[in-house]
This record gives sequence, C-alpha cells and structure tokens, in this order.
Amino acid sequence: DIQMTQSPSSLSASVGDRVTISCRASQSIGNYLNWYQQRPGNAPKLLIYTTSNLQSGVPSSFSGSGSGTDFTLTISSLRPEDFATYYCQQSYSIPHTFGAGTKVEIK
Amino acid sequence: QVQLQESGPGLVKPSQTLSLTCFVSGDSISSGGYYWSWIRQHPGKGLEWIGYMYYSGSTYYNPSLKSRGTISIDTSKNQFSLNLSSVTAADTAVYYCARDRRTLHGDWVDSWGQGTLVTVSS
Repeated sequence: DIQMTQSPSSLSASVGDRVTISCRASQSIGNYLNWYQQRPGNAPKLLIYTTSNLQSGVPSSFSGSGSGTDFTLTISSLRPEDFATYYCQQSYSIPHTFGAGTKVEIK
Repeated sequence: QVQLQESGPGLVKPSQTLSLTCFVSGDSISSGGYYWSWIRQHPGKGLEWIGYMYYSGSTYYNPSLKSRGTISIDTSKNQFSLNLSSVTAADTAVYYCARDRRTLHGDWVDSWGQGTLVTVSS
C-alpha cells in the first residue's frame, strides 16, 4: 500500500491567516492526489481533485499543488468555517489510502 | 444533485456479518463514469478505503479486509451494498457510502452519504 503522511497533524491559526498543509506519498503518485475537508460530525467533503482542480462550489481561497510524492493544500485566508480536519488521498493505486489528517484549530 | 443514504443495523455481534445498504437518489448507478464506494472511519480516527464497484461488475477491495468484504449493486433498486463477514471489535466504525468519479486522470470521491455508526459488540 502507498502510505500518505500529512504534516502537521494539527495547527492553530487565526481567521485571516494563510495556512499550508503538506502531504507526502511513500512513492510517486503523479498528480493522483485529492483533498477533503471534514467538519465534526459530518461526512468529508471534496475540496480539490487531481492535485490542483477545485471542486465546484469550493471557495477560491483553497488551492493545491505538487506532484510525484510531495503535495500541498493552501488556504490563503482562513474563514471561521474552515476550522476542520483535512485529509489527503491518493488514487494512484488500490487501495486508495488517506493521510491521517490535519486538524486546523482556532488560535 | 446525487444523494446517498446508508441503512443497516447499528449493532452487530462478533463473528457475524455486517450488512449495509446505500440508497442512491438523483443519479442512476448504471449511468456510468462512477464507481460506488464504501469508506469507513474508526472512532476518532482517519479514513479507510474499503472498496468500490462499477455497475457492470468490476470490483476492487482493500486487501486489508482479507477477503471479508463483498460489495454488490442492485441497479433495479438503484442501491448498492456492503457485506463484511467475521467482524470483530476492530470493525467498529462509521461507514460511509460514496460516489467515486473515475477518469483517465484519476479518481475522486465527489459525494458522500452522512455515514452510519456500526458497533461490533456482544
């Protein structure tokens, strides 16, 4: 299985801050990398697919980049509703593994 | 807009079979372009991909299930199901059904059910 490692596991930030979350794959996955947001008690929600494509309806404050083994999710300016847990997922090979998540908390 | 809703018992005894069904509305399972997925989340933990199935029958599973999982589709009822046999406490989790868009450029889960908690306990 391809292992997905996210960092940090948690972070504290303020509304308006720029936040960067990293995701590293244990082997090259091309650009087969997705990002999801999960608020407490809710199902995950797709934010970005294939590294940098913004899902319809997702604010442009979210962006993704990377290729190969190293990927980044950036939130350019945190809004109150962005405090949540973020997961990366590779779809390069079965099983489609997820990272352990990054919890974004209010400072 | 597609909607998915899981249904099934919230409590299953150890060694028995966990059976869940996902009812799909707003889209036809047999319309093509999507795989129909199951993903679970252990309490307070991350997400684990269980497997997915195309309406024509192609199915892929997480090897970690050690062949205990079976996904099936009923196109006439526009629903799909998960059976997980020989369950243990380690199978206690929130189970999500989901729609996975599969293209030449990658897969992504674009729609999720609300999730259903299944507890394995005697």
